[in-house]
Amino acid sequence: KAGVTQTPRYLIKTRGQQVTLSCSPISGHRSVSWYQQTPGQGLQFLFEYFSETQRNKGNFPGRFSGRQFSNSRSEMNVSTLELGDSALYLCASTLDGANYGYTFGSGTRLTVV
Amino acid sequence: GENVEQHPSTLSVQEGDSAVIKCTYSDSASNYFPWYKQELGKRPQLIIDIRSNVGEKKDQRIAVTLNKTAKHFSLHITETQPEDSAVYFCAPGDSNYQLIWGAGTKLIIKP
Repeated sequence: KAGVTQTPRYLIKTRGQQVTLSCSPISGHRSVSWYQQTPGQGLQFLFEYFSETQRNKGNFPGRFSGRQFSNSRSEMNVSTLELGDSALYLCASTLDGANYGYTFGSGTRLTVV
Repeated sequence: GENVEQHPSTLSVQEGDSAVIKCTYSDSASNYFPWYKQELGKRPQLIIDIRSNVGEKKDQRIAVTLNKTAKHFSLHITETQPEDSAVYFCAPGDSNYQLIWGAGTKLIIKP
């Protein structure tokens, strides 16, 4: 079966711009979570969507937002980009929550200049 | 909030030897205990997990043991091979479907 697909793989943006990242989960998976990974901070949880509703949220500012569509595909948006937003953004899908074991996508490498 | 610590932060072992990584957590409500492996430049992958009603689980060369009383669980890798070189993350989870990630342990397998 197809894995978790994230697009784009790489992105370079300028400070102040906004960006949208996309994640297509494994077919049948209804839960999609987003993580930020940086060398110094490890894996930081952004939010989880389940059946089009945000079920959990991490400690990130309101500039980070997301949504999920009826086909379970999810998008993540970051507005007013800052240099510190440069990171690898990982999407993970499961049947119903992290306790079922994540399958991660390859990530989107965002560089803010 | 939940506090998760992994030890050691870096572990170097000779190929063929065993490796043990320990994860300590603070939330007594944690009931799900996974280990993820992330090879350099790749995505994290679930390698083994255990739930709170089980004390130990094995899958070939990999095992996880849980001590709920002491609030720690450990990853055991026997007969280590070069492909075991990676960063390993523990991420205990609670009934709210949230995982709290450790900082990671870099495992180096020396030939």
